[in-house]
Amino acid sequence: QSALTQPRSVSGSPGQSVTISCTGTSNDVGASIYVSWYQQHPGKAPKFIIYNVSERPSGVPDRFSGSKSGNTASLTISGLQVEDDADYYCCSYVARYTWVFGGGTKLTVL
Amino acid sequence: EVQLVESGGGLVQPGESLRVSCAASGFAFSNFAMTWVRQAPGKGLEWVADIDVLDYNTYYGGAVKGRFTISRDNSKNTVSLEMKSLRVEDTAIYYCARRWGGYNFDPWGQGTLVTVSS
Repeated sequence: QSALTQPRSVSGSPGQSVTISCTGTSNDVGASIYVSWYQQHPGKAPKFIIYNVSERPSGVPDRFSGSKSGNTASLTISGLQVEDDADYYCCSYVARYTWVFGGGTKLTVL
Repeated sequence: EVQLVESGGGLVQPGESLRVSCAASGFAFSNFAMTWVRQAPGKGLEWVADIDVLDYNTYYGGAVKGRFTISRDNSKNTVSLEMKSLRVEDTAIYYCARRWGGYNFDPWGQGTLVTVSS
């Protein structure tokens, strides 16, 4: 199972919006409603921020939103804040209790 | 507070074995599946293994299948990963995570570093 494809880096200024894409295949992202996103600050454990493509866990700001079209899922962060500067990973359930992550995207808030 | 604490990481030589463990607290451990995810230095996340609640069914990523074994002890609220025939490319931080909502990972432990080097 190959890793999902994410851009290596994206950037934006405070207050702006950015979108991070996550491209898979018809066997993973395209076939699954179970796409999730994780935020990771340097030296820290990942934090769960989106599940089931577009749902937000309790406590996650509504500035974070998710969507999916075909084999590509997307994470949009609106009203960028300095603390959003982090790495972001998408993850798709594949089948028979196996998962695949994206390669990760470094978001720089300028 | 839900908490996961990994332990057991260290430096081993290629071909050797190592067991890492994760102690859970703050939730009904026996009701949740558990997962291991690893992250090589400077690299992305890679799903490694999962153990279910019913019948302790286990699942593995292709890179570790046949070499790693995940297990759990509900009496001690721990999940472990036995790693055999370790390779240099197994060098990574190993995180345990609770499987939440069936298909998601929340929360994660702080990780334990496994280094495979001669």
